[in-house]
Amino acid sequence: GAGVSQSPSNKVTEKGKDVELRCDPISGHTALYWYRQRLGQGLEFLIYFQGNSAPDKSGLPSDRFSAERTGESVSTLTIQRTQQEDSAVYLCASSESTGADGNQPQHFGDGTRLSIL
Amino acid sequence: AQKITQTQPGMFVQEKEAVTLDCTYDTSDPSYGLFWYKQPSSGEMIFLIYQGSYDQQNATEGRYSLNFQKARKSANLVISASQLGDSAMYFCAMREYLDTGRRALTFGSGTRLQVQP
Repeated sequence: GAGVSQSPSNKVTEKGKDVELRCDPISGHTALYWYRQRLGQGLEFLIYFQGNSAPDKSGLPSDRFSAERTGESVSTLTIQRTQQEDSAVYLCASSESTGADGNQPQHFGDGTRLSIL
Repeated sequence: AQKITQTQPGMFVQEKEAVTLDCTYDTSDPSYGLFWYKQPSSGEMIFLIYQGSYDQQNATEGRYSLNFQKARKSANLVISASQLGDSAMYFCAMREYLDTGRRALTFGSGTRLQVQP
């Protein structure tokens, strides 16, 4: 498909386990974003990748969270030693290069619903 | 301070009527962009409309228009001729360009719109 693809769509795991979430952006989109959405709330920014530049990690809530992206392709978000407060929907978005104008909309995937037991 | 404020947690509107969803924002950045997204119960985030801080005219996209009042720092979404399929959560978001250098979006808490037949 032509959209942002995320996997798995749902993940249930026990507290303390590590989880890895995957995002496959729209082909040609150089910018990639991860957000977290807790139940009934808006989206919280986690991390942003733009091409080969250093990622903006300012939204990561703790050092248990990390993300990688190779070039302009797939990204993985890893949460180590999961806690119950990590339960949320994790949304990935991509956009065309964000230059000085920055008006390119972000296109979102369907998200990964993470439940920590 | 909240960057994006959506004061209406829930709104009802009759089918075929117009509805305005409020959004106010707070930034000292002279260059910024405002976005509206729709999130149906299925969870995907759908981009609706964009307004740049330097745009002279209010943005319009089909039945969606943005009532941009820069001095009041408001960017209300107007949906004309509401349809049952418009029932969803609506999020206002902002991207600041110069001050933070961040390209990610800051989201409001959302407004749940229910269209009644």
